[in-house]
Amino acid sequence: QKEVEQNSGPLSVPEGAIASLNCTYSDRGSQSFFWYRQYSGKSPELIMFIYSNGDKEDGRFTAQLNKASQYVSLLIRDSQPSDSATYLCAVNEGMDSSYKLIFGSGTRLLVRP
Amino acid sequence: KAGVTQTPRYLIKTRGQQVTLSCSPISGHRSVSWYQQTPGQGLQFLFEYFSETQRNKGNFPGRFSGRQFSNSRSEMNVSTLELGDSALYLCASSSRTGSEAFFGQGTRLTVV
Repeated sequence: QKEVEQNSGPLSVPEGAIASLNCTYSDRGSQSFFWYRQYSGKSPELIMFIYSNGDKEDGRFTAQLNKASQYVSLLIRDSQPSDSATYLCAVNEGMDSSYKLIFGSGTRLLVRP
Repeated sequence: KAGVTQTPRYLIKTRGQQVTLSCSPISGHRSVSWYQQTPGQGLQFLFEYFSETQRNKGNFPGRFSGRQFSNSRSEMNVSTLELGDSALYLCASSSRTGSEAFFGQGTRLTVV
């Protein structure tokens, strides 16, 4: 089983700032990548998925993928205290459209009012 | 559209017992994956089912098993429970062609 690495944090940013979350993965054959947000005591909530190199934007969130560097990141613009949570990066190791998500340990984000 | 439904939400079992957890995916989704989440190991993949067939399997002992029914509902079973099996068990539902995987609320299993 390949690895997915994330800085555990906490990453502390002031309200209104940009939060940058990073993730590296070891399996060069991985095709799709996911970011989930998990509040304490809750299940993971899908924020975005990305499978092409470059940027993908959805509201205040932008996912960036660089397959050559085996790196995926999530930017959160105009961070709000409600964004304070653990952010999980996941890489799909499943072949042929199957699913086998390998998760990093998560980065805890704290947004200071 | 209803989300992923897992039952029961909470469960307390004794060591050595077995347990069955249920997952109903989003309507139209045919892939169901199961994950175990613990504070020490994080989120770990157990297995994935699609059209009643197991497509992927994680590195868990044979005490952990699953199945999927023709209506895409899935169950996972853990036999001979150990204290270390205490965890949040999550299932994720995915469509055949899409790439999103949506999680249910989870079943929190406590083994005493």
